Amino acid sequence: GQNIDQPTEMTATEGAIVQINCTYQTSGFNGLFWYQQHAGEAPTFLSYNVLDGLEEKGRFSSFLSRSIGYSYLLLKELQMKDSASYLCAVADSNYQLIWGAGTKLIIKP
Amino acid sequence: IAGITQAPTSQILAAGRRMTLRCTQDMRHNAMYWYRQDLGLGLRLIHYSNTAGTTGKGEVPDGYSVSRANTDDFPLTLASAVPSQTSVYFCASSGSSGSLDEQFFGPGTRLTVL
Repeated sequence: GQNIDQPTEMTATEGAIVQINCTYQTSGFNGLFWYQQHAGEAPTFLSYNVLDGLEEKGRFSSFLSRSIGYSYLLLKELQMKDSASYLCAVADSNYQLIWGAGTKLIIKP
Repeated sequence: IAGITQAPTSQILAAGRRMTLRCTQDMRHNAMYWYRQDLGLGLRLIHYSNTAGTTGKGEVPDGYSVSRANTDDFPLTLASAVPSQTSVYFCASSGSSGSLDEQFFGPGTRLTVL
């Protein structure tokens, strides 16, 4: 079956760095997405990785290793507004997105 | 309209009733999607449309139907609602089919079936 695993909840301190991991097992792979979702709101796109390596975009970076089915989202210089759920999704062989349940990130002052 | 809109924002519905959730986008995107989001579960694809005039089934299509008469609109219909369809429903669109483009999401419809 297809499976996306990510931690249910993480807590970090304002100004610190946090890494959110995602492991996946899917029928085919056509890229991995990270989305941010604030409580009660719609998901918004953060990043897309299709090749191995690190993609950096401001305070956020995303890493992919296809050989081990692994990705992480790295958030630096955490701000209170980063409190949200972070969703990992993989595009499978049919180009449909398979979504993880999301990681709720709590930022403490 | 700017982006993608959904209506209604929320709805309480008696079991057995018919309900249509509306979704409209003004970005001229070819692909559109309907997801449901339940606590503790990832977004699950209900139906999708790669282009106007075509639709396809996602992971959880039973009890739902869609149509895509034009580029902008993608309504989702529950023919006879059941309590297990209580969920938050998100409509999304992307520039091309194949799900490799960023998906833009509407604000969601919170549906409660009693």
